[in-house]
Amino acid sequence: AQKITQTQPGMFVQEKEAVTLDCTYDTSDQSYGLFWYKQPSSGEMIFLIYQGSYDEQNATEGRYSLNFQKARKSANLVISASQLGDSAMYFCAMREGVTPGSNYKLTFGKGTLLTVNP
Amino acid sequence: DSGVTQTPKHLITATGQRVTLRCSPRSGDLSVYWYQQSLDQGLQFLIQYYNGEERAKGNILERFSAQQFPDLHSELNLSSLELGDSALYFCASSPGGTSNEKLFFGSGTQLSVL
Repeated sequence: AQKITQTQPGMFVQEKEAVTLDCTYDTSDQSYGLFWYKQPSSGEMIFLIYQGSYDEQNATEGRYSLNFQKARKSANLVISASQLGDSAMYFCAMREGVTPGSNYKLTFGKGTLLTVNP
Repeated sequence: DSGVTQTPKHLITATGQRVTLRCSPRSGDLSVYWYQQSLDQGLQFLIQYYNGEERAKGNILERFSAQQFPDLHSELNLSSLELGDSALYFCASSPGGTSNEKLFFGSGTQLSVL
C-alpha cells in the first residue's frame, strides 16, 4: 500500500482564491510527522509546513495551513489567497517511527501540480 | 538558498559509465539523505547517513553506493549506468536530532544517460 497518497495529479485555481490539496497517509505508528514541500519549475524543494501526530492544533505558516484529520489519516494543505507564484508541484511527505535513534527519512507522495490562473 | 550544495548541476554521460555526485550539507547538519526523482517513480528515497554511518536504506540499486566522509560531505556513486538511471538526484540534510526537523534540499544533479 502507498504510504502517502495524493489523488489530484493536477489542480487549477483562480488568483486570490483558496485551494485545498489532498493528502492521505498510511502508518501504524502512533508517532509520526507530516510535511508539505513545494517544487517550482526551477526544481528546488522548498519546505512549507509541518504537523506532528501529537499536535492538537492544525499547523499554520502564513498563507499555508494544514487540515489535519488524524482519524481519517488525512493532512490536506490549504493555500489561501493564491498567487501566481504558487504555481508549482506540491508534495506531501511523512516521517515515521520518530523515536531516538531511528532514521529521519521522509516518504513522499507523487505530488499535485497546482496552476494558478490570473 | 538552502545551504546544501550539490555538484555538478548537470551531468551527461553514456550507458555503462560511472559517475560521482557530491553533496555538502548545511553547516552543523549530521544527516545526509539521497533521493532520486523521475517522472514515473516520483521522489524515491535512496539512502541516509548520520555522522558517517549508514542509517537507512531505501530503493537503492546494487550498482549505486554512497558514503559520508569525516567532514560530513557525501558522495553518491552510480555505476554501469543505464538509460533508466536518468533522473534528478537530490541530496538533503538535517541536524539529525529531533523528530520534527525538516529536510533541507540541494538544487539537485540532473543526470542524463545517453
